[in-house]
Amino acid sequence: GESVGLHLPTLSVQEGDNSIINCAYSNSASDYFIWYKQESGKGPQFIIDIRSNMDKRQGQRVTVLLNKTVKHLSLQIAATQPGDSAVYFCAENFGDGGATNKLIFGTGTLLAVQP
Amino acid sequence: GAGVSQTPSNKVTEKGKYVELRCDPISGHTALYWYRQSLGQGPEFLIYFQGTGAADDSGLPNDRFFAVRPEGSVSTLKIQRTERGDSAVYLCASSRHRDTEAFFGQGTRLTVV
Repeated sequence: GESVGLHLPTLSVQEGDNSIINCAYSNSASDYFIWYKQESGKGPQFIIDIRSNMDKRQGQRVTVLLNKTVKHLSLQIAATQPGDSAVYFCAENFGDGGATNKLIFGTGTLLAVQP
Repeated sequence: GAGVSQTPSNKVTEKGKYVELRCDPISGHTALYWYRQSLGQGPEFLIYFQGTGAADDSGLPNDRFFAVRPEGSVSTLKIQRTERGDSAVYLCASSRHRDTEAFFGQGTRLTVV
């Protein structure tokens, strides 16, 4: 299928290295943040989320860091594998008391894992 | 399967025509979302349903776009008088409740020629 990764910022890493993908979000009132992985021709897949009352959350091989002072979010992937190759999006909830999944998505970063 | 299903996978239509895009959410999910994704960009929110009602349609770009969910399950996104600028991947997502994780379908790629 057609790639959604055209003209996106690209992070190229070696297999086994750690990856860090960064995101600047827009709304200081946002209270919920999610990282999604999107492979070509597929819909976004939930990776990990964090609420604004936390600054760090860990999952399996992934860690999300939130810095509300500078409105910055990062996704760390440990021991990156070829299967991690995809476009990664950060998303923020509007924070207007509405549905949690009414989201603003960032531009996306293409992660390319070299074997 | 047990995931969100969207049909058709691809739709090519002529400018000015009417199209309908279908979303079958995960069984039991009360919340349903439509997003639109243009090439090289992140998804953009269109509309959110809680049950049968459109709880938030603030993302619909204009009155050519309309969506329904008459029985609180399947949803249809309807686009009238399609324009070339409507070409995009239309994504549907559902969640069990309004504040739980949403699962996306694979999308419908709409091409207006």
